[in-house]
This record gives sequence, C-alpha cells and structure tokens, in this order.
Amino acid sequence: ILNVEQSPQSLHVQEGDSTNFTCSFPSSNFYALHWYRWETAKSPEALFVMTLNGDEKKKGRISATLNTKEGYSYLYIKGSQPEDSATYLCAFNTGNQFYFGTGTSLTVIP
Amino acid sequence: EAGVAQSPRYKIIEKRQSVAFWCNPISGHATLYWYQQILGQGPKLLIQFQNNGVVDDSQLPKDRFSAERLKGVDSTLKIQPAKLEDSAVYLCASSLNSEVSYEQYFGPGTRLTVT
Repeated sequence: ILNVEQSPQSLHVQEGDSTNFTCSFPSSNFYALHWYRWETAKSPEALFVMTLNGDEKKKGRISATLNTKEGYSYLYIKGSQPEDSATYLCAFNTGNQFYFGTGTSLTVIP
Repeated sequence: EAGVAQSPRYKIIEKRQSVAFWCNPISGHATLYWYQQILGQGPKLLIQFQNNGVVDDSQLPKDRFSAERLKGVDSTLKIQPAKLEDSAVYLCASSLNSEVSYEQYFGPGTRLTVT
C-alpha cells in the first residue's frame, strides 16, 4: 500500500487570507495526481488532474502545482471565502489504482 | 447529466446486524468503485468492477463484505455481520472505463454507524 500524506490535517483561516496545503506521494509509479474538494454531506468534487512534472493548474482562486521528481503537490487558495470551507483530498494515481491522502480540513472564518 | 446516486445516505445499525448499500453510476460509465473512508483516514478501495466483472477486490474483507453488479449498471455492497470497526462513509464512484487516467465521479456516500 502506497503512502500519500497531506498536511496540515486541519486549518482555520480568516476570510480573505490566502492559504496552501501539501500532498506528498511516492516519486515512482506516477501516472497522475488528483485534487478533490469534499464538502460535508456532498459528493467529492474533482478540482484538478495533473500529469506532467511542473504542471500548474488554475480554477478561479484555486491553483495547484506538481513536482513528480520530489513527490509533492501544492494546492493554493487565494483570498479564502467561507464557501471554500471543505476537506481537500489528493489522490495518487498509479494507472492501476488511486491512493488517497487523509485530507486537509479547511475552515474559513467570516 | 445526473451524477452518481447512492442510498441510503445514513444508516445506524447494531453490531452483528446486516446492511446493504446501493449505487447507481453515471449512465454509460463502465467502471464502478466502492471505497471505505474511516474517520481520520483517506478513502480506501474495497472493490472495482468493469461492467459486471470484478477487476480488483484485494482489500475487500470477504468474510463479511460482498458486492455485486449483476447487469453492469447498479451495484450493491453488503456487510454481514457488521462490526464496530465498519463505521465509516462508503463512497461509490464511476468512470467511463477502466483506464484510471479517466476522472472518477463520486456519489455523496453512505454514512454507516455501527453501535
């Protein structure tokens, strides 16, 4: 079983603050790295799929970077809003299976 | 396009009882996954179907868990008998085919509490 780690485990920020989380994964057997946002009582929602070293993706105020050689991805949220409160999951995709991290729980305080 | 449907959304049972969960994937999606997410852990794959055949069930506790996808569409996951450690969210996901590079689309999950 592959080890995928996310940090921090939880985070509280003030509305308007920018924040970032980390996903660490093995540097071998890499196929893709996925980020999901999971709000309470809803379905996990796909944010990004990243496949190439150096990839940078952006969707509104949320962006992500990927370093496959050192095995990490960062997720950034600029100007956090209360509606950004959710658990952010990353998944390491070997091409055969997804391995999920434990998630970072973000709470944005109005 | 309708998403992945799951029912029930919540279930509370006593240990040693049985429980079943239902999943209806997105129309046309050949691959269906069941995940177990225990509090404080990431989702763990229990079983993966390609149409109505099992692709991977290596992490399914087969002494008490079973799953089927008889017509290659809907799927049910059963636990019999349940243990306290089965308390978790059970997520169903689907994708177009077994190429894992395709995105997985998740249902809202079933939250199971075993007392």
